[in-house]
Amino acid sequence: GNSVTQMEGPVTLSEEAFLTINCTYTATGYPSLFWYVQYPGEGLQLLLKATKADDKGSNKGFEATYRKETTSFHLEKGSVQVSDSAVYFCALSSQAGTALIFGKGTTLSVSS
Amino acid sequence: GAGVSQSPSNKVTEKGKDVELRCDPISGHTALYWYRQSLGQGLEFLIYFQGNSAPDKSGLPSDRFSAERTGGSVSTLTIQRTQQEDSAVYLCASSYGTGTYEQYFGPGTRLTVT
Repeated sequence: GNSVTQMEGPVTLSEEAFLTINCTYTATGYPSLFWYVQYPGEGLQLLLKATKADDKGSNKGFEATYRKETTSFHLEKGSVQVSDSAVYFCALSSQAGTALIFGKGTTLSVSS
Repeated sequence: GAGVSQSPSNKVTEKGKDVELRCDPISGHTALYWYRQSLGQGLEFLIYFQGNSAPDKSGLPSDRFSAERTGGSVSTLTIQRTQQEDSAVYLCASSYGTGTYEQYFGPGTRLTVT
């Protein structure tokens, strides 16, 4: 079946450091890929998405590229801020309107 | 416009009691989803409604769980005879349905079974 694997946390960084959170997936066909973020005390928010191979999703300085050859969708940011501290979830949807399959989440903590 | 809303935000119940959780999706969204977020299991899909089609109940963990969606809008998730392992945050999401993949999440209902 379809699944998402993302790197274990927590990830602890200093402000302005480079961030990578790895995400790989297993799916039949051509899934859409997402990164969701959950800030402390808040609900899940869509951070970025990509719907086909080689697409790059980007938002708020975060980027992720849909790599079909490596079945990956790694999240990156060049310079993290304290306000980026949150839990990040990688997810896939195998076709329009179906349930999202989530990774287990990676907690990011950024200190000043 | 308004986002997805859920009520109550917190619910504490005794083991064996029934609970109802409510979700109001974004106006115009035809698809509605329920997920459960727990420490041990992460984010799990429970049930999915799309328009007037029969719901996809494949994620419901037992027959104590049921959900309905009235008038294609508001949804209620019911858990009968609650158990301690039902303690979790229950999340509702909605989307425009076919043709788009983005799901918008509500703030969740934190259920604690004592």
